[in-house]
Amino acid sequence: GENVGLHLPTLSVQEGDNSIINCAYSNSASDYFIWYKQESGKGPQFIIDIRSNMDKRQGQRVTVLLNKTVKHLSLQIAATQPGDSAVYFCAEKGGSSNTGKLIFGQGTTLQVKP
Amino acid sequence: DTAVSQTPKYLVTQMGNDKSIKCEQNLGHDTMYWYKQDSKKFLKIMFSYNNKELIINETVPNRFSPKSPDKAHLNLHINSLELGDSAVYFCASSQDERGKQYFGPGTRLTVT
Repeated sequence: GENVGLHLPTLSVQEGDNSIINCAYSNSASDYFIWYKQESGKGPQFIIDIRSNMDKRQGQRVTVLLNKTVKHLSLQIAATQPGDSAVYFCAEKGGSSNTGKLIFGQGTTLQVKP
Repeated sequence: DTAVSQTPKYLVTQMGNDKSIKCEQNLGHDTMYWYKQDSKKFLKIMFSYNNKELIINETVPNRFSPKSPDKAHLNLHINSLELGDSAVYFCASSQDERGKQYFGPGTRLTVT
């Protein structure tokens, strides 16, 4: 079956440290992965995406790593700031389907301590 | 200049009532979606429309009926509301079926 999940429900980090949020997926046919950030009372906000033909992609202070061998996705946030506190979701879109069906993981709450 | 907007932001109603949530996007996107987020923050797609045509219809009770009067609007009508319908409902849009999805601010529905 389809399952996108996160290893830890809550991650607490010190301001200025790097954060790593992990995600496991089970559909090996998925070819597109996205990280979203959801702040309290708001809708999910796109952070970064990666296609299955890549294993790393960098944005501004964020890096997504994809390990297709073990079906693992991670989001690294450099120099974590208080404004990074939110719930982070990974999502996958899969296989031969051309529809926009995103399958979301449970979410990891990132808490940044000042 | 809000990209994806939803109304109302909060909706409190009693069991058995019928209610609608409206969504509009001004991004010129072709594809729109409805998602449901439960109390544990789990997000699950309900419906998707592309150019006013239904393309995704997940296992959702037929009390839920989406309607797309035009490409920029996707409304969600819910009949005979039940306690379990309480959730946050998000609208989203994307350029096409494979594009990045942009989410609205959500509508918190509480059924009492």
